[in-house]
Amino acid sequence: GEDVEQSLFLSVREGDSSVINCTYTDSSSTYLYWYKQEPGAGLQLLTYIFSNMDMKQDQRLTVLLNKKDKHLSLRIADTQTGDSAIYFCAETRYSSASKIIFGSGTRLSIRP
Amino acid sequence: GAVVSQHPSRVICKSGTSVKIECRSLDFQATTMFWYRQFPKKSLMLMATSNEGSKATYEQGVEKDKFLINHASLTLSTLTVTSAHPEDSSFYICSARELGQEGTEAFFGQGTRLTVV
Repeated sequence: GEDVEQSLFLSVREGDSSVINCTYTDSSSTYLYWYKQEPGAGLQLLTYIFSNMDMKQDQRLTVLLNKKDKHLSLRIADTQTGDSAIYFCAETRYSSASKIIFGSGTRLSIRP
Repeated sequence: GAVVSQHPSRVICKSGTSVKIECRSLDFQATTMFWYRQFPKKSLMLMATSNEGSKATYEQGVEKDKFLINHASLTLSTLTVTSAHPEDSSFYICSARELGQEGTEAFFGQGTRLTVV
């Protein structure tokens, strides 16, 4: 199976919280990232977490890491229309010379 | 944050010709740059890791003679798609890690949309 997995779609009402989930397989992952990609654009790093952390909060973004279950989530509070994008979960591994491995991306759509 | 500039942002070329894509780190030095390819509605596929002053490391299934990578300086890596074919049409994105910061974030270019006609 894929090394990093995400659900493909998420639809959220404006103002609600969005939670995007990701699972990974390699226990040697060192850093885990969330990137945002808007249509036709490159990738914007939203946040990252080191593998020995459980949680990281940055304004409307909260990252939770469950290393035992190899589960990563991104919570976006008070979701706005400008949050519509594809969100990629990614990891780097100690064993892989700092390559970044991406998940398939979750397309977040906001409904009024 | 650090800036990675990718050029051109869009290019259309004829089948059989070659096209070069540049990736520059504007305000930092990058010993390692990465080239990704993104298919429509798909994730990013790592093509190769570009190392300054040495040969690139290609991922399995990526033809090194087809996708030539040159990393001649600490701020520039180029990807040349040789003898382009319509199947090479895709969105190519580069990323770079700052020298000495290999454990943390990588910065991404804005991508190049290649269309081969």
